[in-house]
Amino acid sequence: GENVEQHPSTLSVQEGDSAVIKCTYSDSASNYFPWYKQELGKGPQLIIDIRSNVGEKKDQRIAVTLNKTAKHFSLHITETQPEDSAVYFCAASTSGTYKYIFGTGTRLKVLA
Amino acid sequence: NAGVTQTPKFQVLKTGQSMTLQCAQDMNHEYMSWYRQDPGMGLRLIHYSVGAGITDQGEVPNGYNVSRSTTEDFPLRLLSAAPSQTSVYFCASSKDSPSYEQYFGPGTRLTVT
Repeated sequence: GENVEQHPSTLSVQEGDSAVIKCTYSDSASNYFPWYKQELGKGPQLIIDIRSNVGEKKDQRIAVTLNKTAKHFSLHITETQPEDSAVYFCAASTSGTYKYIFGTGTRLKVLA
Repeated sequence: NAGVTQTPKFQVLKTGQSMTLQCAQDMNHEYMSWYRQDPGMGLRLIHYSVGAGITDQGEVPNGYNVSRSTTEDFPLRLLSAAPSQTSVYFCASSKDSPSYEQYFGPGTRLTVT
């Protein structure tokens, strides 16, 4: 079935360094790729998304890149801050299927 | 706007009991969904709805029922609780399909003993 693999499962970086989280999807028809941030005790919240007709998207310190040929997409966070510490989830969705498939999550720790 | 609300926040059930997790949204979203979150497994889709009166199964529907009588409400029913249903449950909604931002509720932590 459809699958989204996410790596790494945990990531520790020093404050000010960059963090990269990678996801690979199996369904070549997937065309929407969101990233969610989940803080402790809360529901996930969208931080950035990208559609299959775009290769890269940036929003301040956060960027997402998409490689459709390789079927993978990545989240890049630059100049990390302690408040970036959270669990991050990638997901893939295909128009017409009405389903999201989530990755297993990455726990990011930013060390002050 | 309150966004997506869920009740209760915490619940403990005994094996075999039934209960309903409530979810409501005030954004006039057509698409609503229920996920369960287990350690190391991310979020898995239980059921979803594309509008009032229309529901369908997700990845892990067994043991759960849903209905959608109004645009605002999407309750999840556990028919006969089992320890394997111990999890955190999230309800979400989006404009008209999951290919838009999904707004998540705060979650319900359910323990089945």
